Amino acid sequence: AQSVTQLDSQVPVFEEAPVELRCNYSSSVSVYLFWYVQYPNQGLQLLLKYLSGSTLVKGINGFEAEFNKSQTSFHLRKPSVHISDTAEYFCAVRSTQGGSEKLVFGKGTKLTVNP
Amino acid sequence: DVKVTQSSRYLVKRTGEKVFLECVQDMDHENMFWYRQDPGLGLRLIYFSYDVKMKEKGDIPEGYSVSREKKERFSLILESASTNQTSMYLCASSLWGMGYEQYFGPGTRLTVT
Repeated sequence: AQSVTQLDSQVPVFEEAPVELRCNYSSSVSVYLFWYVQYPNQGLQLLLKYLSGSTLVKGINGFEAEFNKSQTSFHLRKPSVHISDTAEYFCAVRSTQGGSEKLVFGKGTKLTVNP
Repeated sequence: DVKVTQSSRYLVKRTGEKVFLECVQDMDHENMFWYRQDPGLGLRLIYFSYDVKMKEKGDIPEGYSVSREKKERFSLILESASTNQTSMYLCASSLWGMGYEQYFGPGTRLTVT
């Protein structure tokens, strides 16, 4: 079965600093990967996704992620964070176990941006 | 814009009560999902449905059931609520197909006392 590991449960950074949130997935022949963000008291919204093609994927709010097949990673990056980026971030992989489509989520990384 | 709405943002119920959580989506999506979100555990799939009257168990179906009588509506039922079902419940929907992302509702924070 597909699985996702988010290596950091909490990441504190200062405003305007770069940030990387790490995600590793279990290997599979074809992989579809997603990053979602959850702002306080809200549902999840899609940041970006990788289906195929270019390994560098750009998303909303200045985030990007790089798909690395050899390292089975899909790390999320932003060169300069803002206070408003404080949220919880979830990495997810599409699973087709049993022929049904599902998303398998990591446990989340809480990003706190301090002034 | 896809809209997924959940019937309540906050709900307080007593142990043993039957609880209904409703989810409605307005984009004609085939797939609908119910997740439970707990601190440190991320999102765990309870049930999902890929068509009207069709349902499949997710990773943690015990203590829950679901109903999908219409394409746009997916209900989560706690037959006899227990305190360990206190949690945030998130509903999501998606089109059928490998690359389609899931769209989430705002969540229902359920407290069982």
